[in-house]
Amino acid sequence: AQSVSQHNHHVILSEAASLELGCNYSYGGTVNLFWYVQYPGQHLQLLLKYFSGDPLVKGIKGFEAEFIKSKFSFNLRKPSVQWSDTAEYFCAVFSGNTGKLIFGQGTTLQVKP
Amino acid sequence: DAGVIQSPRHEVTEMGQEVTLRCKPISGHNSLFWYRQTMMRGLELLIYFNNNVPIDDSGMPEDRFSAKMPNASFSTLKIQPSEPRDSAVYFCASSLSSATGGPSPLHFGNGTRLTVT
Repeated sequence: AQSVSQHNHHVILSEAASLELGCNYSYGGTVNLFWYVQYPGQHLQLLLKYFSGDPLVKGIKGFEAEFIKSKFSFNLRKPSVQWSDTAEYFCAVFSGNTGKLIFGQGTTLQVKP
Repeated sequence: DAGVIQSPRHEVTEMGQEVTLRCKPISGHNSLFWYRQTMMRGLELLIYFNNNVPIDDSGMPEDRFSAKMPNASFSTLKIQPSEPRDSAVYFCASSLSSATGGPSPLHFGNGTRLTVT
């Protein structure tokens, strides 16, 4: 079955530290990949997406993600986090075969000022 | 653009009662999704519709759950009878899917926080 795995459940960083959140998916076909962010008390918002082309995708607020097909990974990165980045981050995979957008369990990021 | 509109924002009910959650997708979007979010299970896809037709309801946990989309601008998720373990945040999302199957990103509503006592 198609699945999405986020390795880090809870990450605590100090401001200005670098961030990398892992995401792996189990599906061999063509996929579309997304990262969503959910700020405390708010709904999910799109951070960035990958459909095709350059595997290094840049999103909003300085975030980027790299699609590595051979590793089935789509890790999220940010060189220098801010306190306002405190949120929950979800990786998601859309399969054209199933028509489903499947989310990972989420990673809670806490940035200390 | 008003975004995806869900109502109510909060619902508190007693076990055994019927609960109806409502969603108005973004105008022009042809796909609608219902997700449930809990601490234990994260975000779970319950059901999704394409052009008002339910495509996959394999995520619906039990027969107590049902969803309808009578027209392109309205959907409901009903739980009857409700149980305490149904307590969660329920999100509705919509998107515009192309004929080739690829989605535009999902736009989420603010969610309905359901508490069943």
